[in-house]
Amino acid sequence: GAVVSQHPSRVICKSGTSVKIECRSLDFQATTMFWYRQFPKQSLMLMATSNEGSKATYEQGVEKDKFLINHASLTLSTLTVTSAHPEDSSFYICSATLPGPLGSGELFFGEGSRLTVL
Amino acid sequence: DAKTTQPPSMDCAEGRAANLPCNHSTISGNEYVYWYRQIHSQGPQYIIHGLKNNETNEMASLIITEDRKSSTLILPHATLRDTAVYYCIVRGTNTGNQFYFGTGTSLTVIP
Repeated sequence: GAVVSQHPSRVICKSGTSVKIECRSLDFQATTMFWYRQFPKQSLMLMATSNEGSKATYEQGVEKDKFLINHASLTLSTLTVTSAHPEDSSFYICSATLPGPLGSGELFFGEGSRLTVL
Repeated sequence: DAKTTQPPSMDCAEGRAANLPCNHSTISGNEYVYWYRQIHSQGPQYIIHGLKNNETNEMASLIITEDRKSSTLILPHATLRDTAVYYCIVRGTNTGNQFYFGTGTSLTVIP
């Protein structure tokens, strides 16, 4: 199957700093990527849809100025958590769909990035 | 928003078939049913998907009712490594269509 890779897998930062998480599609071009956040013992919550060459579409309640998404190429999307605070500590997961014939559209996920804000 | 409901947890004996139900009574004609699973602290893993016909692959079988309002994921011979949270998702066919996760079913395979 298609491979999506995230980096870093774990990051610890001080409150007030910004953290960038990279998501790469390694063997295919992804015009659309999705960013999720998952708190302990909860399901994945969609944060935003990242579109190559255009602005991301954010889900209701997600602060676009807090979570900056850039999708500058067909193989890379980045999520920057600006001025991180302890409540931003979470598991962040990116994903991408494999372009294909009608109905194929399964979503491939990265390994996830665990952010801990002290 | 998630359009599916699943039981929160299930147990299954090792070697037995695990049957995980999913209700998606509001599914529309062009929406597929996808199943994913997530092992602790990892990204979700794709299992299988289907539109209206039953599907089978090396991991599992997907049985979709004729009215498409519910489906069942079958793991034919559950192993301890199948212990995970299983998510059922309905989604349209465009690559830009979002995947919304519900609460999923936590499956525990018991030795």
